[in-house]
Parts: sequence; C-alpha cells; structure tokens
Amino acid sequence: AQTVTQSQPEMSVQEAETVTLSCTYDTSESDYYLFWYKQPPSRQMILVIRQEAYKQQNATENRFSVNFQKAAKSFSLKISDSQLGDAAMYFCAYVNYGGSQGNLIFGKGTKLSVKP
Amino acid sequence: EPEVTQTPSHQVTQMGQEVILRCVPISNHLYFYWYRQILGQKVEFLVSFYNNEISEKSEIFDDQFSVERPDGSNFTLKIRSTKLEDSAMYFCASKTSGGAGETQYFGPGTRLLVL
Repeated sequence: AQTVTQSQPEMSVQEAETVTLSCTYDTSESDYYLFWYKQPPSRQMILVIRQEAYKQQNATENRFSVNFQKAAKSFSLKISDSQLGDAAMYFCAYVNYGGSQGNLIFGKGTKLSVKP
Repeated sequence: EPEVTQTPSHQVTQMGQEVILRCVPISNHLYFYWYRQILGQKVEFLVSFYNNEISEKSEIFDDQFSVERPDGSNFTLKIRSTKLEDSAMYFCASKTSGGAGETQYFGPGTRLLVL
C-alpha cells in the first residue's frame, strides 16, 4: 500500500523568505501523481501544485515549486518570497495513475506560520 | 468561482445516533468523494461515487456508513449509529472527470463530535 509521510508537523518562515516543506512517499508504482494542497484556517483545501511522475521537470506555479526526486521518493515544496497569506496547513498527497478514480492518499500535514 | 459547500460546519451528537452530513459539489462535476481526518491524524479516503453508485470504498467505510445523491445537487454521507471514534473532520470533494491527475475540489469540512 502507498504511504505519504510529512516529517515536519510545524514550520515557520519570515515574510519574504523561502521555506521548504518535506514530503516522502512509498509506492511500487511507476506512474502516479503527487500534489500539494493548502488549507488556510477554516477554509477549503485548495490545490497548490501537481507533479506527474513521468515528467522529469519539476512543476512550478509562481512562487511555488517542487523538488521531485523519483528515485528517492521525495517531493518537497518550496515557497519563495513567503507572504502572510501563505500561512496554512500544507498537505502532500499521492494518487496512482491507473486503477482507482483518483482516491488521494495524504500525509499528516505541515502547519506553516509566516512571521511579519 | 464555484465552490464545494458542506453543511453543517459543526455537529455534536450522542453515541448511537444517526447523522447526515451534506455536501453540494460543484455543479458540472461527476465524481464525488468523502474523506475524514481524525484530530492529529492523516486525511483518509472513505468513499468515491460516480454515476449514482459507489466506485470504491476504504476499510473504514463499513456498514454503518452510506452515501447518496438524492437529487441533482446534494451528496450526503450518513452514519447510522455513531461511535466515539467517528469524531473527526469530514471533507467532501468533487471533480469533473475520472482522470487520476484531475484536481479534486474540497469543501470546508464538517467537524463531527460524538459524545
């Protein structure tokens, strides 16, 4: 069975600085997707960034980028120029490419605080 | 921008009581999900639903749980006889197609407390 591990329960970053959130996963599959979801306090989880395992190039979305290391099964999220609005829970998630209709497997989450 | 909504936001119930958690997915979405998160633990998949039937369910989703799409808009999760360990945040999600990489849109959750 696939698992997702986020080893940092909490992280803190100064506004305008860069922070990296860690995520590792375990799977025997070769084709899958990885996601980072953000959940602001009392708000919906929203997708931050998505990585397809067969793509070697790391995904980027504005200030958000990932470091995807397939062999190491590592998928970290880098937030550059951190803003107060980035404060949230961040969840790493995995889904197999085929088979199920996209049932996400989540990590426990990392709570990010942004200091002004 | 369309959003997934969930009601109620909080619910307190007595052990053994039935609860119904309601979700309104985004209108053109066809795939629906329930997840839950027990405090301090991972978000866990419960069930997926497509074309008016369950597509897949986890081991958590036992006979005490059921899902329904009673009309064209609502998607409900029923727990027939709640247990203390059902206390959790319950998230509904929906997406347009069955592709694994398709974005799932989540609701804000219902916090269920079973006493």
